[in-house]
Amino acid sequence: GESVGLHLPTLSVQEGDNSIINCAYSNSASDYFIWYKQESGKGPQFIIDIRSNMDKRQGQRVTVLLNKTVKHLSLQIAATQPGDSAVYFCAENRGYGQNFVFGPGTRLSVLP
Amino acid sequence: DAGVTQSPTHLIKTRGQHVTLRCSPISGHKSVSWYQQVLGQGPQFIFQYYEKEERGRGNFPDRFSARQFPNYSSELNVNALLLGDSALYLCASSLLAGNTGELFFGEGSRLTVL
Repeated sequence: GESVGLHLPTLSVQEGDNSIINCAYSNSASDYFIWYKQESGKGPQFIIDIRSNMDKRQGQRVTVLLNKTVKHLSLQIAATQPGDSAVYFCAENRGYGQNFVFGPGTRLSVLP
Repeated sequence: DAGVTQSPTHLIKTRGQHVTLRCSPISGHKSVSWYQQVLGQGPQFIFQYYEKEERGRGNFPDRFSARQFPNYSSELNVNALLLGDSALYLCASSLLAGNTGELFFGEGSRLTVL
């Protein structure tokens, strides 16, 4: 069935390195995507979003890339810090309301 | 300013019982959405309410219901609890009803059904 998934369930990076978290989506009708960060015991926290009419968007230390041809989304975190350790979710919206479909998540561990 | 607040934070119920979860959105936000997050999985959409009207419903049975009050707070009710209803229930508020802008999530209500 249709789903939003991730290529890597866990990712370990050295502090100071760049991180790349990937996400595949299956519905070409999706037009809005959000990356969330969820720390242990907390609710998801918005990181960055992108609409389907864009292929790249940058924030502070984060960049989201969207490749509609292969239905792939990625989150790049520059100079990863210990505070970046969390589970990261991509979520897609299929054009109406706030019915976001979340992927299963990738756990990012930052090594000292 | 206070963020999204949810209560209770933790609760334990037995199969067949009923539960009510509560959510207060960020001041000024008129849209509230509910999500269920089973351990180890991403959140799954249950309901969205905007201006006290249901705007969307996910693939959940009729045992799940919700409502939004004039002050924009919301309740999620689950009847005839099953073991599989054990999860973290997240409430999110936003300024707008559509798929624009951020969803601001609360820290959730962790429900355990025994």
